[in-house]
Amino acid sequence: DAGVIQSPRHEVTEMGQEVTLRCKPISGHDYLFWYRQTMMRGLELLIYFNNNVPIDDSGMPEDRFSAKMPNASFSTLKIQPSEPRDSAVYFCASSPSPGHGRVYGYTFGSGTRLTVV
Amino acid sequence: TQLLEQSPQFLSIQEGENLTVYCNSSSVFSSLQWYRQEPGEGPVLLVTVVTGGEVKKLKRLTFQFGDARKDSSLHITAAQPGDTGLYLCAGAGGNKLVFGAGTILRVKS
Repeated sequence: DAGVIQSPRHEVTEMGQEVTLRCKPISGHDYLFWYRQTMMRGLELLIYFNNNVPIDDSGMPEDRFSAKMPNASFSTLKIQPSEPRDSAVYFCASSPSPGHGRVYGYTFGSGTRLTVV
Repeated sequence: TQLLEQSPQFLSIQEGENLTVYCNSSSVFSSLQWYRQEPGEGPVLLVTVVTGGEVKKLKRLTFQFGDARKDSSLHITAAQPGDTGLYLCAGAGGNKLVFGAGTILRVKS
């Protein structure tokens, strides 16, 4: 398996523009997570899905952020309109469902470095 | 809100030295994981500890989960330059992980 695939790797955009980040999880993983990483705040969970259904979006900072998972192999995180304070590295991660007595770790993608100028 | 505090925030040591990184919380976690992250990449899972008091070894790395499942430590013996990176602990609460702020380790040759 190629692992979790994110695109683009780097995105530079102007304030006010729409930004769409993409993620392809590992096949067979039931959970998909979107995280944001900054020096000041570390890794923050934005939203996660189970079987394509959003379960917890309490980490989404504002209505400008939205995420979808139309099928088991694709998810998007959209920011509209983007602001300079959204600049960060955005990670997608996936994991299998916890089994009986077994906890699985997350497999992270390589991230998308977003710069909003 | 479950919080994980890691210490130290930054560690710079010489090759061959030993070190310990700590991860503490006031909350109980069902399990705790350690990840290592290199520049430009996502975190990579090193180990998962589940049982209070559990000790796991991964070559020169030793991981321990506290008896009360609120804290953990990572000990590296004879550090190598290849150990350089950001070390993150993460506590499992339900189906999601809460990450600590991380410890940046630099091993100089």
